[in-house]
Amino acid sequence: RKEVEQDPGPFNVPEGATVAFNCTYSNSASQSFFWYRQDCRKEPKLLMSVYSSGNEDGRFTAQLNRASQYISLLIRDSKLSDSATYLCVVIPSAYSGGGADGLTFGKGTHLIIQP
Amino acid sequence: DVKVTQSSRYLVKRTGEKVFLECVQDMDHENMFWYRQDPGLGLRLIYFSYDVKMKEKGDIPEGYSVSREKKERFSLILESASTNQTSMYLCASSQDGSSYNEQFFGPGTRLTVL
Repeated sequence: RKEVEQDPGPFNVPEGATVAFNCTYSNSASQSFFWYRQDCRKEPKLLMSVYSSGNEDGRFTAQLNRASQYISLLIRDSKLSDSATYLCVVIPSAYSGGGADGLTFGKGTHLIIQP
Repeated sequence: DVKVTQSSRYLVKRTGEKVFLECVQDMDHENMFWYRQDPGLGLRLIYFSYDVKMKEKGDIPEGYSVSREKKERFSLILESASTNQTSMYLCASSQDGSSYNEQFFGPGTRLTVL
């Protein structure tokens, strides 16, 4: 059974702090990983892809640990505007030519940045 | 600018009614998806389409059907709405043939079945 697990939180973090949360997956054949952000009562939007070597986009760093089967998201110098739910997405293949088998969203981690 | 639109933001229907949820994308994407999102359960895939007239079942297809007659339009149909189908429904699209596979979501339709 495919599973993607996230700590639902909420994570209450003071403004300016660094926060990190993980997403574990059970399918070792998983190939593509993403973090999406969803604001309250809005649709999810892509935050960043997760590459094998890890990647950074401003204050955000995403990492992949294949051995332990998890991805992580690190947010530095957190802002009030970072308050949102962060969803991880795991896809088992390079996903070309159609097919959604195994495409799985985590249930999300709720982050609240406090002033 | 990339855009996915859904026909209604809020919809109230009665048990037993046939319900149509429409989704249109203007990005010429091959793939289109229907999800429902419920508190504590997250996003769950209902149906997926990778081409016109093609469809695949997702994780929870029971009670739903879909139609894709044109590339830009993907419809979700509740043949006989039930109260347990009260949910937020999200449509998404993505480009085929790429490992990037960003999904672009519509604003969602909050459906209440009474």
